[in-house]
Amino acid sequence: SAVISQKPSRDICQRGTSLTIQCQVDSQVTMMFWYRQQPGQSLTLIATANQGSEATYESGFVIDKFPISRPNLTFSTLTVSNMSPEDSSIYLCSVMVEGSISQFAYQETQYFGPGTRLLVL
Amino acid sequence: QKEVEQNSGPLSVPEGAIASLNCTYSDRGSQSFFWYRQYSGKSPELIMFIYSNGDKEDGRFTAQLNKASQYVSLLIRDSQPSDSATYLCAVLLYNFNKFYFGSGTKLNVKP
Repeated sequence: SAVISQKPSRDICQRGTSLTIQCQVDSQVTMMFWYRQQPGQSLTLIATANQGSEATYESGFVIDKFPISRPNLTFSTLTVSNMSPEDSSIYLCSVMVEGSISQFAYQETQYFGPGTRLLVL
Repeated sequence: QKEVEQNSGPLSVPEGAIASLNCTYSDRGSQSFFWYRQYSGKSPELIMFIYSNGDKEDGRFTAQLNKASQYVSLLIRDSQPSDSATYLCAVLLYNFNKFYFGSGTKLNVKP
């Protein structure tokens, strides 16, 4: 498994401003992801944070709005830029961890951070 | 068509009963299947995963996988009120190294 922390845990922001969310993992991981979850809805993948290269964004999400950094294998940031009330959501960092399930077999599993609850006024 | 489909519920069961949660998926390239539990206001936590046809048991939880029919289910025996949460089904497509999540089924266990 992996222990993941996020900062801040929650914030209230004014429209037009930007917020940077930090994600720290207790071990080196290859793949880190950023999700958004709006109230009562399921998870929506924003992007895959790639170490050493630009993030890979899902349809509907762009780098100008959600710039992502991944300076090393244990840390990533997501910035929500020029915020509007529609950006109010929970933002979740997650990592994919490879674990041994037998002598020769491995299984990737995904673990989530505690989330950042964002309210934009 | 969504990659992963779940009944949104809510599914209500009495305490002590068996809760059965179902999930279907569309991509036959799906290799591994996961169940997450998410309490209100919290992030998803992994319950268990399964990758072979058949049943896999872990305590009160049993995951069942049928690749031919493209469905995976989660059984919760002796349901407790503390099991009340939203249960998310996810599949991993190795070709894309990506997880796809269902919309979740809300479970209410009545005391």
